[in-house]
Amino acid sequence: AQSVAQPEDQVNVAEGNPLTVKCTYSVSGNPYLFWYVQYPNRGLQFLLKYITGDNLVKGSYGFEAEFNKSQTSFHLKKPSALVSDSALYFCAVRDLRGGSQGNLIFGKGTKLSVKP
Amino acid sequence: EADIYQTPRYLVIGTGKKITLECSQTMGHDKMYWYQQDPGMELHLIHYSYGVNSTEKGDLSSESTVSRIRTEHFPLTLESARPSHTSQYLCASKRVDEQYFGPGTRLTVT
Repeated sequence: AQSVAQPEDQVNVAEGNPLTVKCTYSVSGNPYLFWYVQYPNRGLQFLLKYITGDNLVKGSYGFEAEFNKSQTSFHLKKPSALVSDSALYFCAVRDLRGGSQGNLIFGKGTKLSVKP
Repeated sequence: EADIYQTPRYLVIGTGKKITLECSQTMGHDKMYWYQQDPGMELHLIHYSYGVNSTEKGDLSSESTVSRIRTEHFPLTLESARPSHTSQYLCASKRVDEQYFGPGTRLTVT
């Protein structure tokens, strides 16, 4: 089965500290992985993706994610959190099942709260 | 911000009314999607389209219908709104692997 899991409903971080938002996946084949961010009353915004190549992917707003094939993980990271990073973060994997046409499967989302 | 638009942004309507949520994009993308999302919760794919005259149902069963007569336009219609339809509806279009989302329509059915 194709799936993606975000084990934490909420992550709390102090401003200036590093942050990690966790994501694990299950796909039959090479994964296409994505991170999106959603600010209140807005649609989702693309942050970064992993298709192939370097396991460390850099994206928008200083975020990066590390692909780990052995642990089937794609954790989102940032070295120094900002209050403005507070939002809802979604991990997604491309559905590789036949007939799915590459639609995305989203995790349940993790609420990131950065305190001053 | 991507060039994808949704109207209205907010809608409060009574039970039994017919409503159409509008979605349009100016990027010329063939693939478009509708997701349903309860506030702060996960997204559920309810409809998608791969181009003009192409529509498919998503993973979450929905009483809504969609049409794709023009590339840039992908409206969603509820023939008879019910309180269970209260939710946020997000439209998206896709270029290669990246989906671009509209701002959403928050629907409340009373």
